[in-house]
Amino acid sequence: QKEVEQNSGPLSVPEGAIASLNCTYSDRGSQSFFWYRQYSGKSPELIMFIYSNGDKEDGRFTAQLNKASQYVSLLIRDSQPSDSATYLCALTPGKEAGTALIFGKGTTLSVSS
Amino acid sequence: GAVVSQHPSWVICKSGTSVKIECRSLDFQATTMFWYRQFPKQSLMLMATSNEGSKATYEQGVEKDKFLINHASLTLSTLTVTSAHPEDSSFYICSASGSFSYEQYFGPGTRLTVT
Repeated sequence: QKEVEQNSGPLSVPEGAIASLNCTYSDRGSQSFFWYRQYSGKSPELIMFIYSNGDKEDGRFTAQLNKASQYVSLLIRDSQPSDSATYLCALTPGKEAGTALIFGKGTTLSVSS
Repeated sequence: GAVVSQHPSWVICKSGTSVKIECRSLDFQATTMFWYRQFPKQSLMLMATSNEGSKATYEQGVEKDKFLINHASLTLSTLTVTSAHPEDSSFYICSASGSFSYEQYFGPGTRLTVT
């Protein structure tokens, strides 16, 4: 059973702080990793993807991947109240494009002003 | 970024009737589309995967005769909920991916209420 584990939270951080969201996975063959943000009542929105070990930065977001330790994380710098949402970690189980993503259950982030 | 639309955004129907939901990729060719269902405060649940021109592959426990999926073109997939019942009331979301990418882009979702 390929699994993606996330702490459900809620993770509470003050405005301006760094929010750190973590995800671990069980299948070493996983190739591609994604972070989606889902606001309450809305559909998920892709915010980052990472395929190689190391860090990938995009604005206030940094994704970190460590395949040896089987974890992927998302850092949100200068957190804003508008970042309050559920963050879903997802991965592809293999190398073939068009394969259904495996999602974690999500971590709820709450940023207080 | 890639854009996926869904129509309608919300629908109310009477028990026993059928409802069709459309999912369109607006600026890329979606060789694969996925249909999800999400109940309040619960995780996404994958219902089926469809490839253009092929029959959909349904997840275990999803009734293929109740949830009819058609992926007739590279930009359009439809989900028809047949003989809807109140327990089918949910948030239905599609996503799409191209042939050479792993990313999936979600539509805005359709909220179905069956009375």
